[in-house]
Amino acid sequence: GAGVSQSPSNKVTEKGKDVELRCDPISGHTALYWYRQSLGQGLEFLIYFQGNSAPDKSGLPSDRFSAERTGESVSTLTIQRTQQEDSAVYLCASSFGPNGNTIYFGEGSWLTVV
Amino acid sequence: QKEVEQDPGPLSVPEGAIVSLNCTYSNSAFQYFMWYRQYSRKGPELLMYTYSSGNKEDGRFTAQVDKSSKYISLFIRDSQPSDSATYLCAMMADRGSTLGRLYFGRGTQLTVWP
Repeated sequence: GAGVSQSPSNKVTEKGKDVELRCDPISGHTALYWYRQSLGQGLEFLIYFQGNSAPDKSGLPSDRFSAERTGESVSTLTIQRTQQEDSAVYLCASSFGPNGNTIYFGEGSWLTVV
Repeated sequence: QKEVEQDPGPLSVPEGAIVSLNCTYSNSAFQYFMWYRQYSRKGPELLMYTYSSGNKEDGRFTAQVDKSSKYISLFIRDSQPSDSATYLCAMMADRGSTLGRLYFGRGTQLTVWP
């Protein structure tokens, strides 16, 4: 497809389980971003990749969160030992570079921890 | 003080009205200014992008940036019911340690009634 693709679109998991969220960026986009949006809250920055390196991972809320990226392609965000406060929409975006004019978002992965 | 402030609304206007949305910010390093539209349970959609100061027009949408006042605006002319959504402002520096990180406002919820 032409846009940023995320999977799964919805995930319900039990507290304490690990989850893995996947993002396929737009072809040719070297930069990839993960954000989190909680109910009634703004978008919270998690991590930014340029290629497969992460110049800024300071937004990851705890060591239970990790992310990796293969080349300039797929990225996975992993949340270990999920907690109820992890329930949110996890949004991935990509762009040609770390500038503002071409940052496009996917539809998000809706995570519910019960 | 948050980096970006945006009145969450809600804002309700009749069809055909001119809508004015705005954000203020505190970080003088911001150079990229974006407006995103987000429909319910969808990812943010890039509407307008401006680099540094000035105005930009695209159809019924006009974006303005006043860096001296640290104030940005989005105007929607001849508003339509299909414009009903949450509008998010976002900003980014063009250099430094936060390159690649978008700072978002909380979003303004807009309803245009027929």
